[in-house]
Amino acid sequence: AQSVSQHNHHVILSEAASLELGCNYSYGGTVNLFWYVQYPGQHLQLLLKYFSGDPLVKGIKGFEAEFIKSKFSFNLRKPSVQWSDTAEYFCGTTDSWGKLQFGAGTQVVVTP
Amino acid sequence: DAGVTQSPTHLIKTRGQHVTLRCSPISGHKSVSWYQQVLGQGPQFIFQYYEKEERGRGNFPDRFSARQFPNYSSELNVNALLLGDSALYLCASSLGPKGTAYSPLHFGNGTRLTVT
Repeated sequence: AQSVSQHNHHVILSEAASLELGCNYSYGGTVNLFWYVQYPGQHLQLLLKYFSGDPLVKGIKGFEAEFIKSKFSFNLRKPSVQWSDTAEYFCGTTDSWGKLQFGAGTQVVVTP
Repeated sequence: DAGVTQSPTHLIKTRGQHVTLRCSPISGHKSVSWYQQVLGQGPQFIFQYYEKEERGRGNFPDRFSARQFPNYSSELNVNALLLGDSALYLCASSLGPKGTAYSPLHFGNGTRLTVT
């Protein structure tokens, strides 16, 4: 079964800094990869997803992720963060039934 | 547009008791999944239901059970509660079953269960 691992558990950065969160997946066949975000007090929201095609995926709120098959990675990036990007970010992978396996999550704190 | 709704939002139970959590999927979604999120960890898969049939089960004891109703809503039941069952329980719906590319999971706000 596929799984994902996230490298950083906590990230603190200043507004306007660039953000990159690491995610590695274990290859088990067809690759379905996601990034979800959980803002304080809110439900998990889908940021972006990758299934095939262009390895550079654009998501909502200015986020993007790059699928690098040779590195088994799907890192999330944002060129310039805002205070409102403070949240917990989860990388995930699914099987064909949509069963989602999450990573442990990365808590991102953006300071003014 | 109504999203995934869960009830109750918060619940406090004592050890040994039983709890039922409820979930209504987005209209038109036929698949419902349940996840447990313990503080500091990513959500862990518990169950998936599609068209009222169990399609997947995570590594949870038999104290956990679920069902899906004809209107696609779902219940998660936990018997003989333990302190370790304290968590945020998330429900997610999707169009399902296959076609994951076109039917990502949409999550509810969760039910915060505290077992004392």
